[in-house]
Amino acid sequence: GQQLNQSPQSMFIQEGEDVSMNCTSSSIFNTWLWYKQDPGEGPVLLIALYKAGELTSNGRLTAQFGITRKDSFLNISASIPSDVGIYFCAGLGGATNKLIFGTGTLLAVQP
Amino acid sequence: NAGVTQTPKFQVLKTGQSMTLQCAQDMNHEYMSWYRQDPGMGLRLIHYSVGAGITDQGEVPNGYNVSRSTTEDFPLRLLSAAPSQTSVYFCASSYPRGTTKETQYFGPGTRLLVL
Repeated sequence: GQQLNQSPQSMFIQEGEDVSMNCTSSSIFNTWLWYKQDPGEGPVLLIALYKAGELTSNGRLTAQFGITRKDSFLNISASIPSDVGIYFCAGLGGATNKLIFGTGTLLAVQP
Repeated sequence: NAGVTQTPKFQVLKTGQSMTLQCAQDMNHEYMSWYRQDPGMGLRLIHYSVGAGITDQGEVPNGYNVSRSTTEDFPLRLLSAAPSQTSVYFCASSYPRGTTKETQYFGPGTRLLVL
């Protein structure tokens, strides 16, 4: 099935470092969503983007809806240990008009 | 609001057994969906519903049935469990569906092991 290309697959960083991850697709999306999943929990919505070029922040998190509508970026500034988890992008629209998920980025933060 | 709730949290089945995974939401969301999550595969859509009485297939519907008799509930039935259905199952709901402000909210998941 269709999936988004999300990179990197994993990141191991020191506390205080900034983090960047991205998703790309061959299809155009109307909405981009970024989720975080903690171990044993369901995904929790972090940021929603609805318009090409939109830049939205949620605390230390900033996400952007790419101009081409085929990509999105998530940045985390000054990482802390509780940022540990798996981050998923999701795009709505494309050929099926269904929500399509990326394969996730595993983030590990060393104190 | 409790949000999206799922039961059970864990389940072990033998091959061939049937069971129903329950999902409920108290946010009056029209759109509900079921996903399965497998290692390295992200989340894949099994079935979805755009409102009471309306359901449709997602990406991986084989072996699963759904119904939507009320806005609040969207149960997922495994007809004859197979080891390939070992996975974590997430229910999600969203509002408003089909508009520019759609987002999806997930339940805590049901972890299923089929032996």
